[in-house]
Amino acid sequence: EAQVTQNPRYLITVTGKKLTVTCSQNMNHEYMSWYRQDPGLGLRQIYYSMNVEVTDKGDVPEGYKVSRKEKRNFPLILESPSPNQTSLYFCASSSFLGGSYNSPLHFGNGTRLTVT
Amino acid sequence: AQSVAQPEDQVNVAEGNPLTVKCTYSVSGNPYLFWYVQYPNRGLQFLLKYITGDNLVKGSYGFEAEFNKSQTSFHLKKPSALVSDSALYFCAVRDDSSASKIIFGSGTRLSIRP
Repeated sequence: EAQVTQNPRYLITVTGKKLTVTCSQNMNHEYMSWYRQDPGLGLRQIYYSMNVEVTDKGDVPEGYKVSRKEKRNFPLILESPSPNQTSLYFCASSSFLGGSYNSPLHFGNGTRLTVT
Repeated sequence: AQSVAQPEDQVNVAEGNPLTVKCTYSVSGNPYLFWYVQYPNRGLQFLLKYITGDNLVKGSYGFEAEFNKSQTSFHLKKPSALVSDSALYFCAVRDDSSASKIIFGSGTRLSIRP
């Protein structure tokens, strides 16, 4: 089954304790992206990757890191989490068809992170 | 700058009535427009998209959307609402001149009463 898999689904941690949220897709998609969802703000892009070893900042990258060493994986790293990073996080991927990124995004089921 | 606006936080409709969820956008190039739906505790699911061509686009679950270039709008519609359509709906835009950026609206909660 074609899917984007995020782990964990729920995570409670304390300020300053490094954590990683994993994301994996099995559709051979070139494009991958991380979003955070906050009430009233919709989805805001954190980081994205156009292909292996190519990553760039989205609208809210502060406090986050990513890597794209393999095409299928795109982990999100919080080196020193803070309470303002408490949010619902989504990983998504899409393909590059015919020289265009007009394919829809496929989303994971989300990771609810609480930082105390 | 790229932007998307969903002016209504919530839309309430009686089952069987038509529904409209509004979306307006701003891009510098040509827009790729999308609608997604989010059910509780799930990720977003793709409903439909406009890339080029026919202004009326049909998608999943009986939804359709009308692209209006002069009004820079892409409203989501359904002729007859179902209670199961109750969910959070997001409009998104991708600028064909800057494919890396996908901007989402703030979301509209659709509530269908029996």
